[in-house]
Formats: sequence, structure tokens, C-alpha cells
Amino acid sequence: GDSVTQMEGPVTLSEEACLTINCTYTATGYPSLFWYVQYPGEGLQLLLKATKADDKGSNKGFEATYRKETTSFHLEKGSVQVSDSAVYFCALSDQSNAGKSTFGDGTTLTVKP
Amino acid sequence: SAVISQKPSRDICQRGTSLTIQCQVDSQVTMMFWYRQQPGQSLTLIATANQGSEATYESGFVIDKFPISRPNLTFSTLTVSNMSPEDSSIYLCSVGRDISNNEQFFGPGTRLTVL
Repeated sequence: GDSVTQMEGPVTLSEEACLTINCTYTATGYPSLFWYVQYPGEGLQLLLKATKADDKGSNKGFEATYRKETTSFHLEKGSVQVSDSAVYFCALSDQSNAGKSTFGDGTTLTVKP
Repeated sequence: SAVISQKPSRDICQRGTSLTIQCQVDSQVTMMFWYRQQPGQSLTLIATANQGSEATYESGFVIDKFPISRPNLTFSTLTVSNMSPEDSSIYLCSVGRDISNNEQFFGPGTRLTVL
């Protein structure tokens, strides 16, 4: 079945540091890939997505590129802010699985001033 | 996008009782899902709520424990029955427009504590 493996956390960075959160996946079909973010006390929000190989999703300075050859979708940001402190979830959704999503375990990011 | 509300936002319940969680969407959606997020853990899909028919449950979840209703395309309920402390969790409703555009939108969640 489908699965998503995320870099284990927690991750603690200083403001303006570079961020990379690794994500790899296995899927039987041709999935779409997503990063969701969960700020403290809130529900999940879509951060960015990519629907086919070599697509790059971007939002709020975050980027991730759909790499089919390495089955990866790593999340990157060049300069993090304190407001980026949250839990980040990598996910995939496969049309062959009735639109259901499979989530990684989440990575907690804390950015210190 | 879709705006999703859940009620209640949180509750503290006694062992053996049941709680019904409501999920309301501001527009008609094809897919609605219920997830559980236990403390410090990822999301686990409980079931897909099907409009006008029985929900489709994932492995490890059964209708007697988690009955679900979906009377129309904008509303669903999840009941957590005969609760035990192990049911303490955040319960999340999510929706998707259609299978081809499989981005999901999440409600704010219901934080349940069972004593």
C-alpha cells in the first residue's frame, strides 16, 4: 500500500537558518504530493502541492519538487522565521485509492529568535 | 477552497458515554473524511463518509464504535461510542472536491478527552 516517510523531528533552528525536511514515499499509482502545516492549536492547512513529476510547489517561501526518480518531495525554505514554528506533514493522494490521503508522521519545527 | 466548521471544538467526557461531532462545509463537496490524530502523532483515517449510504471504514475501525452519518453534501457527523480513555484524541473532518483534484481541506478539529 501507499506510505510516506518523513524526517524525524523535532527540528530546532535559529531565525534565518535554512530548512530542509525530508520526505519519501511509496505508491502503487501516480500520486499527487502535498505538504500540510499545522500551527499550534489549529487544524491542518495545505502549504503546497505538486501533481506530477518535476513539478515544484511553492508558497510562503517554502518549496518542494516532485522527484519521481528518488520518490521524494523534500520541503525547503531558505530563511525561516519564528512564525514558521509548526508541525509539517508530508502526504500523498492517489486517484486509485478513491482520493484518500496518506500522511507522514509529521515533523515539529521550532524556530528561535 | 472550502470553509469547514466542527462542533464541539473540545469536550471532556466520562468513560462509557458517547459523543457526536458535527462537520459543516460551506459548499457542496464530493468527498468527506474523518481522521483521528492522537497526541503527538500523525493522522489516521477512520472512514470515508458517503452521502446517502454507509461509510467506508478503514482497517481497525468499525461502525459500531464510530457510526457516521452524511445526509447531504455539506454535512456529516461522527459519533464516538462507549468511550474509553484510549479514545482521547483530536478528531478531524476533511473534505475534497473530487478524486482528480485530491487536495484536502481540514476542519479545526475536535479535541476529546475521556476520563
